[in-house]
Amino acid sequence: DGGITQSPKYLFRKEGQNVTLSCEQNLNHDAMYWYRQDPGQGLRLIYYSQIVNDFQKGDIAEGYSVSREKKESFPLTVTSAQKNPTAFYLCASSKAPIQGYMNTEAFFGQGTRLTVV
Amino acid sequence: QKEVEQDPGPLSVPEGAIVSLNCTYSNSAFQYFMWYRQYSRKGPELLMYTYSSGNKEDGRFTAQVDKSSKYISLFIRDSQPSDSATYLCAISSGNTPLVFGKGTRLSVIA
Repeated sequence: DGGITQSPKYLFRKEGQNVTLSCEQNLNHDAMYWYRQDPGQGLRLIYYSQIVNDFQKGDIAEGYSVSREKKESFPLTVTSAQKNPTAFYLCASSKAPIQGYMNTEAFFGQGTRLTVV
Repeated sequence: QKEVEQDPGPLSVPEGAIVSLNCTYSNSAFQYFMWYRQYSRKGPELLMYTYSSGNKEDGRFTAQVDKSSKYISLFIRDSQPSDSATYLCAISSGNTPLVFGKGTRLSVIA
C-alpha cells in the first residue's frame, strides 16, 4: 500500500540530547514537509523540501535540522537547541508537478509523539 | 492578523444535526482550499479539496468557498458520532506549503 510511514510512534528524549524522527514515503511525491502540532496551536511548518538535496525553513525552524538525500526520505532531527520539543510531529508529502509549485493535496503520516523526560 | 483564523470550539451537536465549520483568511493570493479531519492521536486525513469560489459536495460533506469575503465553510449533514474529530482548514497559493487553521474540535452526541 502506498503511504507515508513515520517512526517511531512514541519517542522520549532526555535534556540535551539530539533525536531523529524518520519519515518515508512510497507515493513518488516530490515535496515533503514537517509540521509540529501543539494543543490549541494547529499545525506549524518546521521545514519543507521540494526536491532532493534542497530544503527550506518554515515558520519555526530554530532548533531543528533536516536532510533530503533520497526522494522517499525526509528525516527530522530535534537538536538540544530546541528548548521546548515536547509535541506531536507530523510528516507530509505532495506532488510537485511544476518546479516551484506544490500540488496542494498533502498527505500525512500518523505522527510521532515526542516527550522530553 | 493571522493568515488563517478558525474557531477552536469545542462544538457539540446531537446526532443527525447539520454542522457548519468555518475559516477566514487574509491573503487574497490563496486559491486552493482544503479541509482535513483528524482523529485523536492520528495524522490528518484529506476530506475535501476545492479551487476558487463555489461549492463542492461529497456525500454528507459540502465545502463552500467565498473568495470575495475570504471565507470558507464545511457543512456536514446528518452528523454521526463517527464524525467526532478535529477539523482543520488548510489554504495555499499553490507555490507555498499549506497554511493551517488551529482546528475545530467537534463532538457528535448519540
